[in-house]
Amino acid sequence: AQSVTQPDIHITVSEGASLELRCNYSYGATPYLFWYVQSPGQGLQLLLKYFSGDTLVQGIKGFEAEFKRSQSSFNLRKPSVHWSDAAEYFCATSGGSYIPTFGRGTSLIVHP
Amino acid sequence: GAGVSQSPSNKVTEKGKDVELRCDPISGHTALYWYRQSLGQGLEFLIYFQGNSAPDKSGLPSDRFSAERTGGSVSTLTIQRTQQEDSAVYLCASSLGRGENGYTFGSGTRLTVV
Repeated sequence: AQSVTQPDIHITVSEGASLELRCNYSYGATPYLFWYVQSPGQGLQLLLKYFSGDTLVQGIKGFEAEFKRSQSSFNLRKPSVHWSDAAEYFCATSGGSYIPTFGRGTSLIVHP
Repeated sequence: GAGVSQSPSNKVTEKGKDVELRCDPISGHTALYWYRQSLGQGLEFLIYFQGNSAPDKSGLPSDRFSAERTGGSVSTLTIQRTQQEDSAVYLCASSLGRGENGYTFGSGTRLTVV
């Protein structure tokens, strides 16, 4: 069965600092992987996705993620965080079932 | 429509009452998903519709929960005899095919059972 682990419940960074949010997945074959962002009171917005090919994926809002099969990871990065990036971030995977499984989320807090 | 539309956005109901939550997916999206998000929790899968196939109901927490999708478009999630533990945000998503382009979410329905 597929699963996703986001080991960090909260991450605090200063505005302008770099960011890395961790995501580990469990799935036997090559997974489909996603990162979503959720602002308070809103639904989830897709940041980026990985299916195959280049392991470094570029997304919206300046985010990128790197698929590392050897580490079963798909970490999200941003070189310089803005205050508007404060939100909840969810990593998700879908495998053979085509039903995406979500991690518990990481809450990003941005200090001015 | 341009996005996934959910209604109502907020619903307060008394314990024991039935509620219906509606989801209007993106036109042409064959797949539709319902999730539940409790405070501070991730997304809990409830049910999945794909085209005219039988839905995957494996995530429904009890027989008080049911869902239907009419004409391959609008979906209604029904919770009968609501309990306080049903209080959560109910999110609907749709996708083209099997999600190769990702999943588009609605803004959710916040259900509060008092």
